[in-house]
Amino acid sequence: GQSLEQPSEVTAVEGAIVQINCTYQTSGFYGLSWYQQHDGGAPTFLSYNGLDGLEETGRFSSFLSRSDSYGYLLLQELQMKDSASYFCAVRDQGDTGRRALTFGSGTRLQVQP
Amino acid sequence: DTEVTQTPKHLVMGMTNKKSLKCEQHMGHRAMYWYKQKAKKPPELMFVYSYEKLSINESVPSRFSPECPNSSLLNLHLHALQPEDSALYLCASSQALASGYNEQFFGPGTRLTVL
Repeated sequence: GQSLEQPSEVTAVEGAIVQINCTYQTSGFYGLSWYQQHDGGAPTFLSYNGLDGLEETGRFSSFLSRSDSYGYLLLQELQMKDSASYFCAVRDQGDTGRRALTFGSGTRLQVQP
Repeated sequence: DTEVTQTPKHLVMGMTNKKSLKCEQHMGHRAMYWYKQKAKKPPELMFVYSYEKLSINESVPSRFSPECPNSSLLNLHLHALQPEDSALYLCASSQALASGYNEQFFGPGTRLTVL
């Protein structure tokens, strides 16, 4: 099976930098993705790491270390609108050979003024 | 058009009712998904259709019945639901069900309440 662990809550102030960690256990790993979901909204894609290293997209960066089964999402220059839940998700082989996403439990980010 | 639409936005139904949720995308995606999400929890995969064929059923009770009439539409038929089935039902699509990078686009969801 597959499991992902991430912190349940993180609080930071506007303008700060925050890192949300994700560790995973899967079979047949095919990459780590990050999704953002505002309260009452739909999840939206933020980033994907298929290989080790850092991917940067504007204020957001994501990192993957496959040898450590670990990744993180880095949010810089935090804004109030970044307050949301952030999910890491893996695409893996699974028990039945499926290749769908499994989501972590989510990290609720609260940005304070 | 990079949008996934879902109707209705809200649905209240009794345990003996039959209702359907609808999902539509016009991005030419060949994989479509149904997820169930409870408050403060991650989306849980229910079904996946790949090229209009059911590819994954995550041991979902038979009171949930998916249907993919064509490559743009996905339905979820509901019958004899239980109050614990109350949740946000999300539809998503992606280019294909394949390994590697495969961004999923989510619809806004249907908020279902079972009385």
